[in-house]
Amino acid sequence: EVQLQQSGPELRRPGSSVKLSCKASGYSITDYLMHWVKHRPEHGLEWIGWIDPEDGETKYAQKFQSKATLTADTSSNTAYMQLSSLTSEDTATYFCASLRTTSAYWGQGTLVTVSS
Amino acid sequence: DVVLTQTPSTLSATIGQSVSISCRSSQSLLDSAGNTYLYWYLQRPGQSPQLLIYLVSNLGSGVPNRFSGSGSGTDFTLKISGVEAEDLGVYYCMQATHARTFGGGTKLELK
Repeated sequence: EVQLQQSGPELRRPGSSVKLSCKASGYSITDYLMHWVKHRPEHGLEWIGWIDPEDGETKYAQKFQSKATLTADTSSNTAYMQLSSLTSEDTATYFCASLRTTSAYWGQGTLVTVSS
Repeated sequence: DVVLTQTPSTLSATIGQSVSISCRSSQSLLDSAGNTYLYWYLQRPGQSPQLLIYLVSNLGSGVPNRFSGSGSGTDFTLKISGVEAEDLGVYYCMQATHARTFGGGTKLELK
């Protein structure tokens, strides 16, 4: 059974950074791209980008080019997303997701709260 | 970037009513190989999104057949034939022909 287990909620000060994790089980992360998606109820879902864990290639939505950095550790079957220079606009739930051609698997989401 | 415009933004329905959601793309989603990567997701409150429809009109695993998808090029539609209580939530279209983009969402609520 495919599962994506994300790390717990985070509280950060403005200007700081945070690194989220997404551990996959039931498959090898090198087999599929790993996507990250931002969710704020008033803004809906926003695609941040993907990483190909097999070779580290990444692609970002233009809006998140300087905000997010995607990495992966194949030895632990885990993907990571670092968010930098945090502002209140980064307060959201972040999902990792394996978005395949005919199926999709999502993590449970990690709530990041940015507050002074 | 491709922009997906969903209408309406909010949909009020009674149980058993049939409803439709529109998703229009700023660019054609037909790729050079003849594939159209248009998907529909449902996000219930407090949950992760769930895949309903893939490749325009194919039902996701375990999805009830009251859901159906249609369309081509830049215009797509999700139809629910007989809304049930468990269908309430926010519906998103997503394209995967040009990277990925989500539509703005359509909230389905009870009238």
